[in-house]
Amino acid sequence: EAEVAQSPRYKITEKSQAVAFWCDPISGHATLYWYRQILGQGPELLVQFQDESVVDDSQLPKDRFSAERLKGVDSTLKIQPAELGDSAMYLCASSREGGRGYGYTFGSGTRLTVV
Amino acid sequence: AQKVTQAQTEISVVEKEDVTLDCVYETRDTTYYLFWYKQPPSGELVFLIRRNSFDEQNEISGRYSWNFQKSTSSFNFTITASQVVDSAVYFCALLGESQGNLIFGKGTKLSVKP
Repeated sequence: EAEVAQSPRYKITEKSQAVAFWCDPISGHATLYWYRQILGQGPELLVQFQDESVVDDSQLPKDRFSAERLKGVDSTLKIQPAELGDSAMYLCASSREGGRGYGYTFGSGTRLTVV
Repeated sequence: AQKVTQAQTEISVVEKEDVTLDCVYETRDTTYYLFWYKQPPSGELVFLIRRNSFDEQNEISGRYSWNFQKSTSSFNFTITASQVVDSAVYFCALLGESQGNLIFGKGTKLSVKP
């Protein structure tokens, strides 16, 4: 069964350092999403791509977060500088046709701890 | 506004008990999709079921069943004869026709004790 690949699985970083996460969606899935899940909460969208274009980044803290999907395939999410409040699970998902009728497939996530 | 409410934060049951997880949603869209996901301690979100707004037929899959009622804007999930392996956080999610992404509830943590 096709999977969404994410790396690293775990990341510990000191505050003010830079950190990056990588996601490789299921082949053929044009839509890619980055979600952030704070402990005890549901996932919340950070950014959504359709191919290489950003569709929605209204909840992305643009002063420190950036995301790219240069060739419309894999994607990188970066935080610089990291803050203590960024500690969370970062989930990547992909879907066909925006997920309507098919839902999203999620990766295993990157668990970030900022110390 | 689109919203999903899972009022039960945590539920604890003993193995073999039946348990129902509640989900109430809000949307102005006439076409929308509802989902349930399971998140075990390892962290990944596992898809369980999708329902569209035009299909109110309840569904049963093994020990799992779902009750979709548009009249009360609810999409409840029942596990029959619960097992320890069912212990996880369960999320209900909504995708409306007018929105571009899944909106999740806060989740219900289910603990099944032997």
